[in-house]
Amino acid sequence: GIQVEQSPPDLILQEGANSTLRCNFSDSVNNLQWFHQNPWGQLINLFYIPSGTKQNGRLSATTVATERYSLLYISSSQTTDSGVYFCAGAGGDYKLSFGAGTTVTVRA
Amino acid sequence: KAGVTQTPRYLIKTRGQQVTLSCSPISGHRSVSWYQQTPGQGLQFLFEYFSETQRNKGNFPGRFSGRQFSNSRSEMNVSTLELGDSALYLCASSFDSGASSYEQYFGPGTRLTVT
Repeated sequence: GIQVEQSPPDLILQEGANSTLRCNFSDSVNNLQWFHQNPWGQLINLFYIPSGTKQNGRLSATTVATERYSLLYISSSQTTDSGVYFCAGAGGDYKLSFGAGTTVTVRA
Repeated sequence: KAGVTQTPRYLIKTRGQQVTLSCSPISGHRSVSWYQQTPGQGLQFLFEYFSETQRNKGNFPGRFSGRQFSNSRSEMNVSTLELGDSALYLCASSFDSGASSYEQYFGPGTRLTVT
């Protein structure tokens, strides 16, 4: 299956700072998603982005499919942005392969 | 539209028992996938069902099984529970229109503890 590598594993930010999370894939993907896992374990959809760039408020994401990576940008971070961020991808078999996650801590 | 629902939310079982978890997808979604999340292995794909047929399967032993009903609701079963089966089990649904890819939406999960 597809191997997914996320970096960095941990990120500590001061409130108001900007940050970039990265996701590398071992193979081409048809489906690429970014999630935020809430404290109760639910995966909240942030972006469905097999290619291109999308923005949603202070969050944006870019996927360069030809180079097999995706970036998640958090701007003007807030304490509510804290948590674990996952990227996941699937090829033609629709099985989502997840990265190990990036734990983001935003300090007031 | 209601989201993906999973029942029960929490479960405590004893080693050797079996357990059945339930997932109701978003209305209109016919694809249901199951994932296991553990601290050691992270999030791993278990299986996917579409129109009552298992379409994809991950690398889990035969103790893990599932099924899907005609209304797209799905159940997964784990027999002869082991301590290592303690995990958060997540269900996801998708509207598969026949395109090459589709977005998956996750439920709140069932947290299983095996003692």
